[in-house]
Amino acid sequence: RKEVEQDPGPFNVPEGATVAFNCTYSNSASQSFFWYRQDCRKEPKLLMSVYSSGNEDGRFTAQLNRASQYISLLIRDSKLSDSATYLCVVNGGFGNEKLTFGTGTRLTIIP
Amino acid sequence: DAMVIQNPRYQVTQFGKPVTLSCSQTLNHNVMYWYQQKSSQAPKLLFHYYDKDFNNEADTPDNFQSRRPNTSFCFLDIRSPGLGDAAMYLCATSRDGQGNLGSDTQYFGPGTRLTVL
Repeated sequence: RKEVEQDPGPFNVPEGATVAFNCTYSNSASQSFFWYRQDCRKEPKLLMSVYSSGNEDGRFTAQLNRASQYISLLIRDSKLSDSATYLCVVNGGFGNEKLTFGTGTRLTIIP
Repeated sequence: DAMVIQNPRYQVTQFGKPVTLSCSQTLNHNVMYWYQQKSSQAPKLLFHYYDKDFNNEADTPDNFQSRRPNTSFCFLDIRSPGLGDAAMYLCATSRDGQGNLGSDTQYFGPGTRLTVL
């Protein structure tokens, strides 16, 4: 089983729609969870951090379910500029500075 | 203002010709990381420095070496690049990753895209 698993997509979604991504992780000791956004041929950029059950920032909501080892990202009222690859990222446990990246979910917003 | 800077942004080298990629940071973070990312794949950690302590990943080839002369700078040396080493090389930093909220968030530089001819 992969340490971090994501549906690779691609997701092709009309502008204004709501889209949700799922991610599962295998290390039950993981404490920190992140969603990064990566545009084509660019570096990953932090979108959201999740340390408790969830986090909301404008149109973006992340939820964490520790019992099921599952993280989700919800994007509401999607915009053309949301087109990117979304990486689910998990740390190795308390005091472990290393992060494990999922392979990403590709999202394209269609006008 | 750029916080993690990588130079050069694009590097072309010949098969077997050594190359050095550089990374600098203005965040005064303790931890610096080097990742290799190939198309449609997740970033793959090569190694990282916690201050001066070097931590190599078990599957990182010996062809890849790193130096961190001070807090701000870190270098990736590829001693004999092969065609399979063509990739984006990403440098990242984090504060310390020692359990404090946000301390393990990693911030990436823009990357160096390496082409091997």
